[in-house]
Amino acid sequence: GENVEQHPSTLSVQEGDSAVIKCTYSDSASNYFPWYKQELGKRPQLIIDIRSNVGEKKDQRIAVTLNKTAKHFSLHITETQPEDSAVYFCAASSYGGSQGNLIFGKGTKLSVKP
Amino acid sequence: DAMVIQNPRYQVTQFGKPVTLSCSQTLNHNVMYWYQQKSSQAPKLLFHYYDKDFNNEADTPDNFQSRRPNTSFCFLDIRSPGLGDAAMYLCATSRSAGANVLTFGAGSRLTVL
Repeated sequence: GENVEQHPSTLSVQEGDSAVIKCTYSDSASNYFPWYKQELGKRPQLIIDIRSNVGEKKDQRIAVTLNKTAKHFSLHITETQPEDSAVYFCAASSYGGSQGNLIFGKGTKLSVKP
Repeated sequence: DAMVIQNPRYQVTQFGKPVTLSCSQTLNHNVMYWYQQKSSQAPKLLFHYYDKDFNNEADTPDNFQSRRPNTSFCFLDIRSPGLGDAAMYLCATSRSAGANVLTFGAGSRLTVL
């Protein structure tokens, strides 16, 4: 089955700097890669996702890149703000049918220092 | 406008005393999932329903069961909770399986004494 590795497990940056979180996946059939943000004590919420027919996707300060050949994808946050502090999870799944459930990475705790 | 509602938000039980957690959704999504999330760990999928079809993950203990009486509701039953079952239990829904956005509920935090 799918296995998702996520690095780093913790990341501390100064406000205004960029943050990059990287994930690798094992199943070449995976074709959907979302990123979830989970603030302390709250539910995970989708912040951005990418499908395998696209190499990069951007939404304001957040971008995700995908390298299908190398089977890795990354989250980039620019101009970080204290409210970006949270745990970020990457995930992977394959499309279609009743299978292909999301498998999550172990998470990255991002701390943005004012 | 809560779309995935979990009850109770906090549940305290004694070792071995059965517990039921509930999840309801107003999204009319076909798929409902139960995840277990322990402190500082990723959500771990226990099982999911695709409509009425139940799909159990291979490593989900028999102690965990689920029911989906209709499209809107799904229940997680823990037959004999152990100390290791203390966790946040997250319900999520998606329109269909695979490459679809998950909408999570706020979670039910289970404490086992």
